[in-house]
Amino acid sequence: QSVVTQPPSASGTPGQRVTISCSGSSSNIGSNALNWYQQLPGTAPKLLIYNNNQRPSGVPDRFSGSKSGTSASLAISGLQSEDEADYYCATWDDSLNGYVFGTGTKVTVL
Amino acid sequence: QVQLVESGGGVVQPGRSLRLSCTASGFTFSTNGIHWVRQAPGKGLEWVAVIWNDGSKKYYADSVKGRFSISRDNFENASWLQMNSLRAEDTAVYYCARDVWGNGYKKLDYWGQGTLVTVSS
Repeated sequence: QSVVTQPPSASGTPGQRVTISCSGSSSNIGSNALNWYQQLPGTAPKLLIYNNNQRPSGVPDRFSGSKSGTSASLAISGLQSEDEADYYCATWDDSLNGYVFGTGTKVTVL
Repeated sequence: QVQLVESGGGVVQPGRSLRLSCTASGFTFSTNGIHWVRQAPGKGLEWVAVIWNDGSKKYYADSVKGRFSISRDNFENASWLQMNSLRAEDTAVYYCARDVWGNGYKKLDYWGQGTLVTVSS
């Protein structure tokens, strides 16, 4: 099981704001920048947020990230049906000498 | 444009070996590390291995250490994942992804489409 944990699910109606948490430790989130990946059904993961709160070109600004200590969160404002996907936080772990993914959160648009 | 294409997946018996390939294009391959990440059916993402841009460092997940080996050739713009002593629990879609380092951060910014490995007798 992963050393970085996320809630298994989150949901909201269109237009609502949804927040996903990501909890780790001093060797991973506490020491390194955090990324978020979005995985739409049947597709490869896509980088959504990097360096805690930066959006790659093309990612809508309704996606935002933050980090504090050994925890982080992803917020989706103005939820849309196309946001229904699995979301993973991830970062390097200095103790494991490896990249670690969170357990993943499935977002459902009601 | 940046592209990563995995190949080499298939059905293999437990205990046998398989070699996956990741062919890159659209960027200067020698400037980026390459990660392999896998996803078992219905499960989350699991990091497998990384190789530095110049091949000088390689790191593995504990679950594959001693069985899998990552390599690359910067002239062929390719990376490989040699998988030995395969087990049923290695069944997964395997992705390669480009590693980018910035000022205090690293990110996996481009991913291939994945190749399915099924370990079954």
